[in-house]
Amino acid sequence: GDSVTQMEGPVTLSEEAFLTINCTYTATGYPSLFWYVQYPGEGLQLLLKATKADDKGSNKGFEATYRKETTSFHLEKGSVQVSDSAVYFCALSDSSGATNKLIFGTGTLLAVQP
Amino acid sequence: DAGVTQSPTHLIKTRGQHVTLRCSPISGHKSVSWYQQVLGQGPQFIFQYYEKEERGRGNFPDRFSARQFPNYSSELNVNALLLGDSALYLCASSSETVNTGELFFGEGSRLTVL
Repeated sequence: GDSVTQMEGPVTLSEEAFLTINCTYTATGYPSLFWYVQYPGEGLQLLLKATKADDKGSNKGFEATYRKETTSFHLEKGSVQVSDSAVYFCALSDSSGATNKLIFGTGTLLAVQP
Repeated sequence: DAGVTQSPTHLIKTRGQHVTLRCSPISGHKSVSWYQQVLGQGPQFIFQYYEKEERGRGNFPDRFSARQFPNYSSELNVNALLLGDSALYLCASSSETVNTGELFFGEGSRLTVL
């Protein structure tokens, strides 16, 4: 079945450092890809999405490109801030297309130090 | 506008008991999904309801059931609780039945089974 693999954390960075969180996926169809973020004490929020190959999703300085050839959707940010500290989840939509089911990775905890 | 609201926020039960969790979607959203998030893992899909009909079910035992009411709110019921049911239960709403966009998540109900 479809699955998502993302790098394990925690990832600890200093403020203004470059961030990459790796995400690869396995899917039989052509899913949409998502990054969700969970800030401490809050619910999951959509950070960005891409619906087809070569699409780039971007939001709040974060970017991710849908790479079909490498089945990847790595999250990047050029300069992280303390406020970016959160758990980041890579997810894909169920490729059977019948529901809005999301398949999530295990999450990566990002801790940004001042 | 109010986001997705869930109740209760925390609860403690003992093995063998039954629990009911409640969710109110964003106004105008007709689809509600339930996810289970075990500590240290990504959310796992349990159910999706759209217009009061079940549209999808994840790989969970029959002890888990749900329903959606005419006002689109939803309940998740779990019978014969096991220790392994301890988790954060997330409700998400959307305006669509298939994954064309984002899911809006509540903050969750944290269930502890002793």
